[in-house]
Amino acid sequence: DGGITQSPKYLFRKEGQNVTLSCEQNLNHDAMYWYRQDPGQGLRLIYYSQIVNDFQKGDIAEGYSVSREKKESFPLTVTSAQKNPTAFYLCASRPSAGGSYEQYFGPGTRLTVT
Amino acid sequence: QQQVKQSPQSLIVQKGGISIINCAYENTAFDYFPWYQQFPGKGPALLIAIRPDVSEKKEGRFTISFNKSAKQFSLHIMDSQPGDSATYFCAALYSSASKIIFGSGTRLSIRP
Repeated sequence: DGGITQSPKYLFRKEGQNVTLSCEQNLNHDAMYWYRQDPGQGLRLIYYSQIVNDFQKGDIAEGYSVSREKKESFPLTVTSAQKNPTAFYLCASRPSAGGSYEQYFGPGTRLTVT
Repeated sequence: QQQVKQSPQSLIVQKGGISIINCAYENTAFDYFPWYQQFPGKGPALLIAIRPDVSEKKEGRFTISFNKSAKQFSLHIMDSQPGDSATYFCAALYSSASKIIFGSGTRLSIRP
């Protein structure tokens, strides 16, 4: 089965702890993305990566960090510097940042920080 | 220039009715306009998409109408069903772009 896997589906953390969200894809896509979605809100871009070992900040990168050491993996770390980390996090991938239009989303991880 | 404005924010339609969601854009470089459907607790999924060289695209009960001169496009859901209740996002991008620009979303509820 080809697709995007995000784990876990639900994640709970105490305030002040860093937490890493997993995103894996076996679609052989070059570009990967992280979005944040708050209740009743749209999709806000956190970080994106067009190729391995390279990534760019999106619209709301503060308090987050990413790495892209492998083509199939793009983990997102929510640091203690993120003031309101509780949200639904979506990972997405695309065959290539240029020349291809289709973007596919994973099932999401709901993070709750108390 | 990079924004896509979507309306309405929420919409309630009776079963069997027509649901209409509208989007407007400014950047004339956009050359692909997809619509995504998202059910609660799930990731968005591509529903239907159109390129600006056509004025309409239909897939089953879902139709995109595109007005290039007005820089507007809309999603029409014919014979709306309770199973269509979801959040819908319009989007826009151009082929060399690294990012997709999403609208703010419309929460659609179909009353039985």
